[in-house]
Amino acid sequence: RKEVEQDPGPFNVPEGATVAFNCTYSNSASQSFFWYRQDCRKEPKLLMSVYSSGNEDGRFTAQLNRASQYISLLIRDSKLSDSATYLCVEKKGGKLIFGQGTELSVKP
Amino acid sequence: NAGVTQTPKFRVLKTGQSMTLLCAQDMNHEYMYWYRQDPGMGLRLIHYSVGEGTTAKGEVPDGYNVSRLKKQNFLLGLESAAPSQTSVYFCASDRDRGTYNEQFFGPGTRLTVL
Repeated sequence: RKEVEQDPGPFNVPEGATVAFNCTYSNSASQSFFWYRQDCRKEPKLLMSVYSSGNEDGRFTAQLNRASQYISLLIRDSKLSDSATYLCVEKKGGKLIFGQGTELSVKP
Repeated sequence: NAGVTQTPKFRVLKTGQSMTLLCAQDMNHEYMYWYRQDPGMGLRLIHYSVGEGTTAKGEVPDGYNVSRLKKQNFLLGLESAAPSQTSVYFCASDRDRGTYNEQFFGPGTRLTVL
């Protein structure tokens, strides 16, 4: 079983829609989690960290459920510019462990 | 600040050839990493370094060697390239092993081995 697993999608949604991604992890001792965004053929960039209490940044909300070992990302009021691949990432011992990514396509 | 830079951006090799990928960072970060990304897969860690003069194996180290002679540079070497090493290679750096530190990535090197 992969250490971090995501639904690869693709998710095709209209502009303005709300979309949610989930990610599961296998190591209950994992320390911290992140969502990175990757545009086509470019480097990953940090979208947001995921805290145990949950956190929000504008239209984006991240949640961590340690009991069930899953992480979620909610995007409200989707924009065309949100089209990208979203990577669920675990950080352990200074190293990042990536899920395979979830592709999002926002259509007009 | 340039952040993390990688050289070259693209390269085509023949099987058996060797090459070195260069990563440089100007953020005075201690930790540096080399990842590869293949279609439909997340990034996988090849090798990493926790400081000048140190290197360690990651998840997929076979066929690669690395060196960190200077704090700002991390080199990835392929001694005898194979088609299975066709991939996009990303370098990254981190201030230290802090739990919520952000890792900063370079723009990637697209390598094709024929």
